[in-house]
Amino acid sequence: AQKVTQAQTEISVVEKEDVTLDCVYETRDTTYYLFWYKQPPSGELVFLIRRNSFDEQNEISGRYSWNFQKSTSSFNFTITASQVVDSAVYFCALSDGTYKYIFGTGTRLKVLA
Amino acid sequence: EPEVTQTPSHQVTQMGQEVILRCVPISNHLYFYWYRQILGQKVEFLVSFYNNEISEKSEIFDDQFSVERPDGSNFTLKIRSTKLEDSAMYFCASNEGRARISYGYTFGSGTRLTVV
Repeated sequence: AQKVTQAQTEISVVEKEDVTLDCVYETRDTTYYLFWYKQPPSGELVFLIRRNSFDEQNEISGRYSWNFQKSTSSFNFTITASQVVDSAVYFCALSDGTYKYIFGTGTRLKVLA
Repeated sequence: EPEVTQTPSHQVTQMGQEVILRCVPISNHLYFYWYRQILGQKVEFLVSFYNNEISEKSEIFDDQFSVERPDGSNFTLKIRSTKLEDSAMYFCASNEGRARISYGYTFGSGTRLTVV
């Protein structure tokens, strides 16, 4: 069965600190896809990144970076120099390429000014 | 950028009443989905819909729930007799097609349903 674990329920950091959000997944499929979504206080789900199982290259987008390691089944997300606007709930999700996503329970990030 | 539109943004209904949540997917998308998020919890898959029929549904999607695409543009989720535990945020999503599912969905901004 597929499963996504986000062990960090809530993280608080002071503005400009770096923060890493952990995501560990379980799947028996050799082809699968991983996603990160941001849910700000307004409630919508904002797509951040997609990664497929064949591409272990890390990715950087501005202050955001992602570290995908198949050996540890992890897809961690780092925000560098955090800002108050980064405060949100962040969800990691897994798909085997069929119709549905399996979401983790989310990590609430609070960035304090 | 094309959007998935959900209406209303917030709906309050009495327990036992029927409620219909509406979604307008992106016009060239072929796959449609409903997800549910109980307050403070994770986002859960309810149902996927393609070619005017359900492709897959979860255990949550019991006989109280139904979906349809009545006019080629709207995609609706109906809850026949709402219960208190149906209170949640409901997200609609769409995707271009089978080969593009792995590229991710476009989610709507959600409808917050409150059952009193």
